[in-house]
Amino acid sequence: GQQVMQIPQYQHVQEGEDFTTYCNSSTTLSNIQWYKQRPGGHPVFLIQLVKSGEVKKQKRLTFQFGEAKKNSSLHITATQTTDVGTYFCAGEDTDKLIFGTGTRLQVFP
Amino acid sequence: DAGITQSPRHKVTETGTPVTLRCHQTENHRYMYWYRQDPGHGLRLIHYSYGVKDTDKGEVSDGYSVSRSKTEDFLLTLESATSSQTSVYFCAIRKEWGRTDTQYFGPGTRLTVL
Repeated sequence: GQQVMQIPQYQHVQEGEDFTTYCNSSTTLSNIQWYKQRPGGHPVFLIQLVKSGEVKKQKRLTFQFGEAKKNSSLHITATQTTDVGTYFCAGEDTDKLIFGTGTRLQVFP
Repeated sequence: DAGITQSPRHKVTETGTPVTLRCHQTENHRYMYWYRQDPGHGLRLIHYSYGVKDTDKGEVSDGYSVSRSKTEDFLLTLESATSSQTSVYFCAIRKEWGRTDTQYFGPGTRLTVL
């Protein structure tokens, strides 16, 4: 079945440093979604990418969808302590989402 | 958050006992999902529903059953709980807006099986 891999599993950064998480699918995706889960919280939708090569920005967050629609990345510029949490990508498979294993981001002040 | 509640929020039970978790939504969404979340595994789909009495299995459905007799409620049952089912369980609904289908999650239920 479809698999979505995400790296790294953990990332610790100093506040102000950049952060990137990568997502790779075993199959071509119709779209990819990104979610953020704060510690002790539930996943919250951030964005959906649909088009090959698409790039979207939300303030300091930049999301990219690969040309082959099999990979994606999330880049955070100048991290802040509010960015702490786990970031998940998810690929759509018919009526359901296949989530990556997530990247847990810790930001030290 | 899309009017999704889960009950109970925390539960401790013993191996071999039956457990039912409830997910309730107030917005009449057709699709509902149950996930479990464990360290190193992310979110794994247990079962989902695409309408009243219409359900299907996810990737980790063994040991779990579901029922949906009303649009607003989606129940997850562990017939005989095992320690490997200790986890955090999230319910989600699928919301369709424009060309985007996204999932909105409930607050989660932390289940401990001793």
